[in-house]
Amino acid sequence: NAGVMQNPRHLVRRRGQEARLRCSPMKGHSHVYWYRQLPEEGLKFMVYLQKENIIDESGMPKERFSAEFPKEGPSILRIQQVVRGDSAAYFCASSPPGGLNEKLFFGSGTQLSVL
Amino acid sequence: GNSVTQMEGPVTLSEEAFLTINCTYTATGYPSLFWYVQYPGEGLQLLLKATKADDKGSNKGFEATYRKETTSFHLEKGSVQVSDSAVYFCALSARNAGNNRKLIWGLGTSLAVNP
Repeated sequence: NAGVMQNPRHLVRRRGQEARLRCSPMKGHSHVYWYRQLPEEGLKFMVYLQKENIIDESGMPKERFSAEFPKEGPSILRIQQVVRGDSAAYFCASSPPGGLNEKLFFGSGTQLSVL
Repeated sequence: GNSVTQMEGPVTLSEEAFLTINCTYTATGYPSLFWYVQYPGEGLQLLLKATKADDKGSNKGFEATYRKETTSFHLEKGSVQVSDSAVYFCALSARNAGNNRKLIWGLGTSLAVNP
C-alpha cells in the first residue's frame, strides 16, 4: 500500500531553469495539496487540487508557479525561471475524496536547490 | 483571521523527561485541532487530533486536550524517548472564505531528546 510518492527527492537547478516536481497521491485519494517549507517560515500552503481542477491557489505566487492534477498521472508543481529564493522543501499531501480534508498524508518531499 | 502560535524551539530534553509543547490558536467558529510530527528526512504524519472542546487526542504516549476557554491545544508526553526527536506542528482546520476546510499551521517546534 504505497503512500504519497514524490519525485525527485532532490532537485538541483540553475537560476533561470525550470523545475518540475511530481506527486502521486495515495491510491483512492483525489485531493492533492502542495506546501513549501522553509526553516524560518514553517509550512506554507500553496495550492489545493482535485482531479483536473484547482480548488484553492491562494498560496501560489502570482508568477512563475503553476500546478496541475490531470485526469491521468501525477500532480505536477512547475516553477519556471527559478531563482535562489525558490530553494526550499516542497511537500505534497493527499486526502480521500468527499470527506474531511484535514487528515493529510504527506510525501517525503522534494528538496529544491537553486544554484 | 485564523492562526496558530506554537512555542519556539528548539526544545532539548533528556530521555524520560516530561514534554510540553505549547500551542494556542485564534479561530472563528469551531475548528478541529491537530498535532503532526515530522521525523528527519520525512514528510509530516498525523500524530493526534481533537474535534471539539474538551476532547483529548492521544497516540504513542502523546496527549493534547482541546481547551476552548484558553484556546489551547498543548502537546504533552510523560516520558520522552530518543526516537521522539522530530519537529512537531500544531494545526487547526477551519472554513475559509470559499467554505472549504483548510489547515492552518504553526511554525513547528523542533524537539531533540538526548540519551
